[in-house]
Amino acid sequence: GAVVSQHPSWVICKSGTSVKIECRSLDFQATTMFWYRQFPKQSLMLMATSNEGSKATYEQGVEKDKFLINHASLTLSTLTVTSAHPEDSSFYICSAEQGLAGGPLGNEQFFGPGTRLTVL
Amino acid sequence: DAKTTQPPSMDCAEGRAANLPCNHSTISGNEYVYWYRQIHSQGPQYIIHGLKNNETNEMASLIITEDRKSSTLILPHATLRDTAVYYCIVRGGIYNQGGKLIFGQGTELSVKP
Repeated sequence: GAVVSQHPSWVICKSGTSVKIECRSLDFQATTMFWYRQFPKQSLMLMATSNEGSKATYEQGVEKDKFLINHASLTLSTLTVTSAHPEDSSFYICSAEQGLAGGPLGNEQFFGPGTRLTVL
Repeated sequence: DAKTTQPPSMDCAEGRAANLPCNHSTISGNEYVYWYRQIHSQGPQYIIHGLKNNETNEMASLIITEDRKSSTLILPHATLRDTAVYYCIVRGGIYNQGGKLIFGQGTELSVKP
């Protein structure tokens, strides 16, 4: 299957700083990327949908000014957690989809390995 | 909200088939059934998906009932490395929630020696 990478795999930062997480599709072009957050012993929660060249669409309850998403190319999307606080500590996972999201043939979504953020 | 119901946990003996059920009684005609799994502290891994016909690949088989209200994921010969949380997801197309994957709580499968 297609490969999606994330960088960094883990990060520790001080409260009030900003952290950028990169998501790359390595061997395919992703018109759509998704960002998820997962707290310990919980399921994945979709945060936002990112389409190349346009503004991200955020899920209800997700602060767009706090979680900045940029999808500048067909192989790269970034999530910046601004002014991070301890409650933002979580496992952040991206996924990428080739072609039109959920298109007629049912496209697969490929997930990255995740980034563990710890805010002190 | 997730549109599926799965048992929270299941055990399976190594080498035996693991049958993971999923109920999706409100599924609509253009929605697919997807299965992913997540091994601890990793990103989810795609397993299989289907619309109405049974599907098989190198990892698993997906059996969808005729009324499409439930499905079963079958791992034919479970190994210890199959221990993971398995998610059954009903997914619409681009005109139905934008093709998003909405994860429920999943089934925690433990494969035991």
